[in-house]
Amino acid sequence: QSALTQPASVSGSPGQSITISCIGTSSDVGGYNYVSWYQQHPGKAPKLMIYDVSNRPSGVSNRFSGSKSGNTASLTISGLQADDEADYHCSSYASSSTLVFGGGTKVTVL
Amino acid sequence: QLQLQESGPGLVKPSETLSLTCTVSGGSISSSSYYWGWIRQPPGKGLEWIGSIYYSGSTYYKPSLKSRVTISVDTSKNQFSLKLSSMTAADTAVYYCGRQMKRWGQSGSYGDASDIWGQGTMVTVSS
Repeated sequence: QSALTQPASVSGSPGQSITISCIGTSSDVGGYNYVSWYQQHPGKAPKLMIYDVSNRPSGVSNRFSGSKSGNTASLTISGLQADDEADYHCSSYASSSTLVFGGGTKVTVL
Repeated sequence: QLQLQESGPGLVKPSETLSLTCTVSGGSISSSSYYWGWIRQPPGKGLEWIGSIYYSGSTYYKPSLKSRVTISVDTSKNQFSLKLSSMTAADTAVYYCGRQMKRWGQSGSYGDASDIWGQGTMVTVSS
């Protein structure tokens, strides 16, 4: 059970769109539609932003969207805002009732 | 609204056993729609799922931690707990408890995305 692969950092200017990738295998991301994304501000607990690949919990802005193609899941943030600057973590079901996380991506708003 | 709160020691000696409790308030831990999980985050690193439990007592653990982990539930107190034995410096982390969406797979149900988290508690392993 290896960790999912995320880029260490992604940056963008206010108003732009950015995409964060989350690369797994056919045993996790590619095999199931159970990918989640979390936003984490410094010193705070993670917040669920996307579940089941592309579903947003109530209260999460529609500027956040998720998708998946093969073994790679993606989180897109459109209309980038200053408050979007945070760490983002992906996770996936990984068979045998286990979960696996990515290493996290730091998003910087320029 | 439902809230989770972790409690336990902030400092543990090497080789000792960590014991943490997560208290659920504003709702019942006996809900049939959720699992309850433990997730940790070493300083400056990513999140790591430790394990999950259903109110009935069914548990699932990360394979690499399975030999050291025990998660239990006390429905009368609306709490679930984590025990991690043989602690080393590598176990130093912020430990979070969370409510997980229940999903169905080939081998039964399990906990998936965490929609509610506790604030986290920092645990340092040092003599």
